[in-house]
Amino acid sequence: DAGVIQSPRHEVTEMGQEVTLRCKPISGHNSLFWYRQTMMRGLELLIYFNNNVPIDDSGMPEDRFSAKMPNASFSTLKIQPSEPRDSAVYFCASSLPGLRETQYFGPGTRLLVL
Amino acid sequence: GENVEQHPSTLSVQEGDSAVIKCTYSDSASNYFPWYKQELGKGPQLIIDIRSNVGEKKDQRIAVTLNKTAKHFSLHITETQPEDSAVYFCAASIGFGNEKLTFGTGTRLTIIP
Repeated sequence: DAGVIQSPRHEVTEMGQEVTLRCKPISGHNSLFWYRQTMMRGLELLIYFNNNVPIDDSGMPEDRFSAKMPNASFSTLKIQPSEPRDSAVYFCASSLPGLRETQYFGPGTRLLVL
Repeated sequence: GENVEQHPSTLSVQEGDSAVIKCTYSDSASNYFPWYKQELGKGPQLIIDIRSNVGEKKDQRIAVTLNKTAKHFSLHITETQPEDSAVYFCAASIGFGNEKLTFGTGTRLTIIP
């Protein structure tokens, strides 16, 4: 079975550019989570969706970050404009209905903003 | 909000010996406690989890124990092997539809051949 799929796996961009990260959750999962991992702050929850609806975006650092889930099999996390402090590994995770806290992570996107 | 503390931050163990990682949590309402293993360049992988109605759970060489009174839980790995080398994260959640996980800061486990 395919796990959570993320693209791209690596992204290098210059400060001020727009960055879009993509995620395909596991089929049948209806909750989707975006996390950011850094050495300083560890794993932080940015936002999560249930049935394509954003439930909690309190972890989104600022208005430069936005996330969408247009359908059950696709989500994007966008940073515009990007800054060097956004450099991190971004993970997407998904979970089943009724077991939303049991989350399965994708391989991550390593973002470097120069 | 919930706060999860994890110790130690690094742990070196001789191959074949046991490893124990401990976590404490602050919110007494938390009742779901997963453990994740993260290898270099990969995403966290769920390896075992426990709910508050259970005191211990075991899966082959891995076991998790939970003490709700003291608000702490531990990961035990027996007969360690080189492939157990990774960073391990504990987490806590209120569960039962409350999806947010609060993670510990991680333990880098190194198995010495």
